[in-house]
Amino acid sequence: AQKVTQAQTEISVVEKEDVTLDCVYETRDTTYYLFWYKQPPSGELVFLIRRNSFDEQNEISGRYSWNFQKSTSSFNFTITASQVVDSAVYFCALAHSGTYKYIFGTGTRLKVLA
Amino acid sequence: KAGVTQTPRYLIKTRGQQVTLSCSPISGHRSVSWYQQTPGQGLQFLFEYFSETQRNKGNFPGRFSGRQFSNSRSEMNVSTLELGDSALYLCASSFGTILKYNEQFFGPGTRLTVL
Repeated sequence: AQKVTQAQTEISVVEKEDVTLDCVYETRDTTYYLFWYKQPPSGELVFLIRRNSFDEQNEISGRYSWNFQKSTSSFNFTITASQVVDSAVYFCALAHSGTYKYIFGTGTRLKVLA
Repeated sequence: KAGVTQTPRYLIKTRGQQVTLSCSPISGHRSVSWYQQTPGQGLQFLFEYFSETQRNKGNFPGRFSGRQFSNSRSEMNVSTLELGDSALYLCASSFGTILKYNEQFFGPGTRLTVL
């Protein structure tokens, strides 16, 4: 089965707090891709990061960092020193090699309070 | 570089009617995918087109169809609309290559309301 689970439905934090969004995936394939997208209130999904299954290196981009662990089938996303502009719904997605069919998680709504 | 554009942005239809949504991908992108987003079902894959051919299809009834033109623009059609078809329809584009995978970029969506 192919599945993406984002167990956190909604998270509220106060500005400047760090927050981690969890993503757990299921797949039988050895080659696959993982993504994080941000959906602000405007509705447009904004691409944040792509990771392939052979690259377990963690990545940092400004205040954003991602932790990919194949051993636990997780691809977690951390925002450091959160800001009000980070308020959005965040989606984790999975795609298999050879297909552009994304399987999305249910999303985590992040509210950053001033 | 212009992003993915979708028209119209909002649409109100009544049950039984049909609707056509349009998507223009990023210049140079040959793959266009369509997704349906609802509060209950989340984001679900409808289909993907590459070079005018449907390459993948999701689990939607035959009332949902699409096509892609030679300029990579795509249309999605829903016939005999039902109340449950009310949703945000998102289009995404990418270069679409298989050997060298690349991510999809999404448009702002078309919000369809069926009355």
